[in-house]
Amino acid sequence: AQSVTQPDIHITVSEGASLELRCNYSYGATPYLFWYVQSPGQGLQLLLKYFSGDTLVQGIKGFEAEFKRSQSSFNLRKPSVHWSDAAEYFCAVGAPSGSSNTGKLIFGQGTTLQVKP
Amino acid sequence: DAGVIQSPRHEVTEMGQEVTLRCKPISGHDYLFWYRQTMMRGLELLIYFNNNVPIDDSGMPEDRFSAKMPNASFSTLKIQPSEPRDSAVYFCASRDGTGVTYEQYFGPGTRLTVT
Repeated sequence: AQSVTQPDIHITVSEGASLELRCNYSYGATPYLFWYVQSPGQGLQLLLKYFSGDTLVQGIKGFEAEFKRSQSSFNLRKPSVHWSDAAEYFCAVGAPSGSSNTGKLIFGQGTTLQVKP
Repeated sequence: DAGVIQSPRHEVTEMGQEVTLRCKPISGHDYLFWYRQTMMRGLELLIYFNNNVPIDDSGMPEDRFSAKMPNASFSTLKIQPSEPRDSAVYFCASRDGTGVTYEQYFGPGTRLTVT
């Protein structure tokens, strides 16, 4: 069965510091991979996605993520964090077409990012 | 585009009452999803529709929950009777199934409190 693990429940970084949020997935083939961000009281907003091709994908707000097949990981990075990045971040996995799970996304438990001034 | 629209944004009700949550997906999207978010269980998929037809309702917690999609632009999630443990944020999301992208677009959510 598909699953997504975000090992870090809570991370605190200083403003201006670099950030890496971890995501590991379990799936028999290469899934579709996503990172979403949720600000307090808001819905989830898509940051970036990976389907195929270049394993380093760029997203909005200066975020990027790298797909590493050998490690079943899709970690999210940002070189310099801003106070406005404080939010909850969700990694998600989707099954490619033809799978019995086509159409669904499986979400990780989320990582809460706190930014210190 | 206005995005996914949900109403109401907040709902407070007493145990035993019927609650109806509403969702308008993005125009042209043919998939619609209902999620529930709680601190304890995170984000859970309750049910999803394709072309107004329920495809997978395995996440619906029990018979007190029901969802309908009478047309392509409207869906409801009903809880009857409501219980305090139903308190959560309920999200609706939609996506375009005709393209190669799988991303879902989320509404702002309905925060439900059952007292």
